[in-house]
Amino acid sequence: AQRVTQPEKLLSVFKGAPVELKCNYSYSGSPELFWYVQYSRQRLQLLLRHISRESIKGFTADLNKGETSFHLKKPFAQEEDSAMYYCALSFRYTGANSKLTFGKGITLSVRP
Amino acid sequence: DAGVIQSPRHEVTEMGQEVTLRCKPISGHNSLFWYRQTMMRGLELLIYFNNNVPIDDSGMPEDRFSAKMPNASFSTLKIQPSEPRDSAVYFCASSSDTVITGELFFGEGSRLTVL
Repeated sequence: AQRVTQPEKLLSVFKGAPVELKCNYSYSGSPELFWYVQYSRQRLQLLLRHISRESIKGFTADLNKGETSFHLKKPFAQEEDSAMYYCALSFRYTGANSKLTFGKGITLSVRP
Repeated sequence: DAGVIQSPRHEVTEMGQEVTLRCKPISGHNSLFWYRQTMMRGLELLIYFNNNVPIDDSGMPEDRFSAKMPNASFSTLKIQPSEPRDSAVYFCASSSDTVITGELFFGEGSRLTVL
């Protein structure tokens, strides 16, 4: 079954420290992976997608098919990075229909 | 565009009452999703519409839950009768693409408390 696992619920770091938010997935096909972010009092929004191979707000994520992982990384955390982060897997399950399934999310807290 | 609009933002009701949550997707988007967010389960997909047709409702918890999309600009999620375990934040999201590579645009959510 398709599944996204975020093993930690909370990560607390000091400003300037490196950040790695872990995400593992289970899917037999070719995965499409995303990170969504929810800042306090804001809507859940797309942060980045693996297909774009982009860096957004200093965050990057590399798809590792061997380890079935898509960890989100940032070398130097900022206080404004404090938010809830969700890893998500998109997969096609019938015909042209596809589904986006989320992990349980992790709260990142960046202390001054 | 104001984005995906959900109402009400907060709802407090008593067990057994009917609850109706509403969603207006972004104009031109042809896919609409209802998700439920809880601390224990994270974000769960309840139901997914494409061109107003329900495609997948396998995430709907039980018969007490129902969803409709009578036209391209409006959807409802109804819980009847409501129970305390239904307390959660319910999100509506829309997309103009297949979600294989596309982006979901979320509403601000409806926080439901069932006493």
